[in-house]
Amino acid sequence: GAGVSQTPSNKVTEKGKYVELRCDPISGHTALYWYRQSLGQGPEFLIYFQGTGAADDSGLPNDRFFAVRPEGSVSTLKIQRTERGDSAVYLCASSLSLGPNTGELFFGEGSRLTVL
Amino acid sequence: AQSVTQLDSHVSVSEGTPVLLRCNYSSSYSPSLFWYVQHPNKGLQLLLKYTSAATLVKGINGFEAEFKKSETSFHLTKPSAHMSDAAEYFCVVSRRFGNEKLTFGTGTRLTIIP
Repeated sequence: GAGVSQTPSNKVTEKGKYVELRCDPISGHTALYWYRQSLGQGPEFLIYFQGTGAADDSGLPNDRFFAVRPEGSVSTLKIQRTERGDSAVYLCASSLSLGPNTGELFFGEGSRLTVL
Repeated sequence: AQSVTQLDSHVSVSEGTPVLLRCNYSSSYSPSLFWYVQHPNKGLQLLLKYTSAATLVKGINGFEAEFKKSETSFHLTKPSAHMSDAAEYFCVVSRRFGNEKLTFGTGTRLTIIP
């Protein structure tokens, strides 16, 4: 596809359940980012990858959150034992080169997660 | 540490009149500054960015912003608003060297009155 693709666009789950959110970046983009946007707030950084490795995961809120990018393309954000406070829009972005200072970040439309 | 403050959560202007969206930043390092726009049901899109060159930055759709170090500001302007400008606008800061995280403000919702 032409842009960053995120699936599912909407996910409703129950407290305590496990959730996976998928991001398919623009072909050829080596850098991939995850952000979380709560209602009425700006996006907050979670993690970014350069290739297959997590270059910085300092934004992950706790050990229930984990992300992988095994082949350096598609990434999956995994949330265990979901809590109501995890409800938010999860945004993925990719970039041709590492760093917003040199490469523009292209964002997907997000995955809206609702935890009941 | 770095942060941005968007001074208005909501701005309304009439079509054809100037737009001003205000942003102040705080950074312990030399900052890069950005404005992103988010239209309903669309992904965030980069409007413009300041990294270290000219302090007056021109972006897409007629928007521009001026980096003022003495005032720690990076306000977004447009001479004449169009209906299609209605959206949420985010001021963003990052560390110019190293640290690849973007730090977003809380956003300003721009409404255009016909």
